[in-house]
This record gives sequence, C-alpha cells and structure tokens, in this order.
Amino acid sequence: SQKIEQNSEALNIQEGKTATLTCNYTNYSPAYLQWYRQDPGRGPVFLLLIRENEKEKRKERLKVTFDTTLKQSLFHITASQPADSATYLCAPPFSGGYNKLIFGAGTRLAVHP
Amino acid sequence: GAGVSQSPSNKVTEKGKDVELRCDPISGHTALYWYRQSLGQGLEFLIYFQGNSAPDKSGLPSDRFSAERTGGSVSTLTIQRTQQEDSAVYLCASSLGLAQNEQFFGPGTRLTVL
Repeated sequence: SQKIEQNSEALNIQEGKTATLTCNYTNYSPAYLQWYRQDPGRGPVFLLLIRENEKEKRKERLKVTFDTTLKQSLFHITASQPADSATYLCAPPFSGGYNKLIFGAGTRLAVHP
Repeated sequence: GAGVSQSPSNKVTEKGKDVELRCDPISGHTALYWYRQSLGQGLEFLIYFQGNSAPDKSGLPSDRFSAERTGGSVSTLTIQRTQQEDSAVYLCASSLGLAQNEQFFGPGTRLTVL
C-alpha cells in the first residue's frame, strides 16, 4: 500500500535561513500533492498544490518541488521567520482514490530569532 | 466569511457512551471530510461526502462509527459505545468540490473517553 514519509524529527533553523522539508512517497505515483500548515490546537491550513506535470510551484516565500523520478516533494521556506514555526504536512491523494488525501505525519519546524 | 465550525470543541465521556460530533461546512462547499488525529500523529481519513452521499466509508475504524450529512450541509459523526482508543481530535474539512480542491478545516473536536 502507499506510504508517505516526512522527517519525523523537528527541524530547527535560524531566522533568515531557508527551511527545507521533505516528503517521500512509495508504491504509487500521485497525480498531485498538497502541502498544509498546522499550528498547535488548530486544523491544518492549505498552502500549495503541485501537479505531477509541474516541477516547481512558488507562492511568496514558499516553493514546492515535485520529483516523480525520486518520488519526492520538497517544501522550501526562504527568509524564514519565527512566525513560520509550525508543523507542515504533505498530502497526496490515495492511490485509486483521487478525491481523498492521505496525510503525512508532518514535520515540526522551529525558527529561532 | 464564516469558516468551517465544529461542535463541541471538547467532549469528555465515559467508556460505553455514545457521542455525536457536528460539523458545519463553508456554505456552498459540496464536499465534506472527516479525519481523526491522535496525539502527535498525522491525520487519519475516516469518510467523505459528496453532497449527502458518502461514496467512501473505507476509513471508518469499526461499525461503531457512522456519519451522515443532511441538506448538503451539516454533518454528524456518531461514535457508539465509545472506547478509550477513540480518544483523539476529530477534524472536519470542506471543499468546493472533489479532486485537487483545497480543503478548509475546522478547529476540531477533542474527544476524551475515560
């Protein structure tokens, strides 16, 4: 069955640096992938969607890449700020279930001043 | 405009009792999803609705779990004979349609089964 893996350990970086988070998937090829941000005690908030025919997508300080050969998506935050501290979730659709998402466990990012 | 709302925000119940969790989606959103999130874990898909019908109930953990949606709007997730392992945050999300549409999440209901 399909599997989604994100860095389980927290990522600690200095303010102003670029944060890079990894999402690896196995046993299938999703047509798209979404990224969400989740703050403690709150529901996830949608950030970006990237399709399989798109290599890269940008939104302000955010950039997502989608490498279908490596079966990996990278999520970058440039010029990071303490307010970017949160858990980031990647979410491709289920294999054969185009309409529903399978969420990774998320990577917690902490940006220090 | 108003986002997705869920009630109650917190629910403490005794093992064996039934509970009902409510979700009010964003007006006009035809798709509605229920997820469960245990402490420190990712989101576990439970069920989704397109309109009032639930094409995929494969994520419901057992027959103690059921959900319905009426009028293409409000949805209720019911857990019968609650068990301690049901303790989690139950999240609801809605979207304009299916397939690639971003999902808007509610704040969740924290369920604690004693």
